[in-house]
Amino acid sequence: LAKTTQPISMDSYEGQEVNITCSHNNIATNDYITWYQQFPSQGPRFIIQGYKTKVTNEVASLFIPADRKSSTLSLPRVSLSDTAVYYCLVGDQTGANNLFFGTGTRLTVIP
Amino acid sequence: DAGITQSPRHKVTETGTPVTLRCHQTENHRYMYWYRQDPGHGLRLIHYSYGVKDTDKGEVSDGYSVSRSKTEDFLLTLESATSSQTSVYFCAISPLGTVNEQFFGPGTRLTVL
Repeated sequence: LAKTTQPISMDSYEGQEVNITCSHNNIATNDYITWYQQFPSQGPRFIIQGYKTKVTNEVASLFIPADRKSSTLSLPRVSLSDTAVYYCLVGDQTGANNLFFGTGTRLTVIP
Repeated sequence: DAGITQSPRHKVTETGTPVTLRCHQTENHRYMYWYRQDPGHGLRLIHYSYGVKDTDKGEVSDGYSVSRSKTEDFLLTLESATSSQTSVYFCAISPLGTVNEQFFGPGTRLTVL
């Protein structure tokens, strides 16, 4: 079961770029890296997924180095509404019981 | 909105009683999941289904059973509720072949007294 390690919490001021790093030393060849966002009293929401190098969408960017043992979620110019818990997961696309959410990183955006 | 509803949204019950939570989807996705979320533990997979009548256990399946007789409905049953099953329960769905990209329902807050 490929598990991940993330910081428990982070604080950032509004308008700054936030980078959350996730360690996944045991990532397997077929594993993808996926990030979710969860607001209080809501279910998690898929943000971004990647396999290698860089992926960007309208919400975030995901940077994955060549060895794939870590990844960094980058949120540009955060606002108060980005305050949430962010989860990093690794797993292949078929192993439903191999995904491990963990406790995530609690990001607090400060005015 | 991924077209997932959960019912009930809130429930208070007593120890020893059976409880059934329902997850309903309108997306016709093959995979459905039940998770529980507790402080300090994050989300943990209870059971999942990869098709009608096809289910499998997750990380914390003891004390829970599931059934899926129709594509759109996935039921989670607590056979005899205990206080340790007080939690927030989330249902999720994903299309075939992309289990990493799951869409979650709004959650059910269950309190067992």
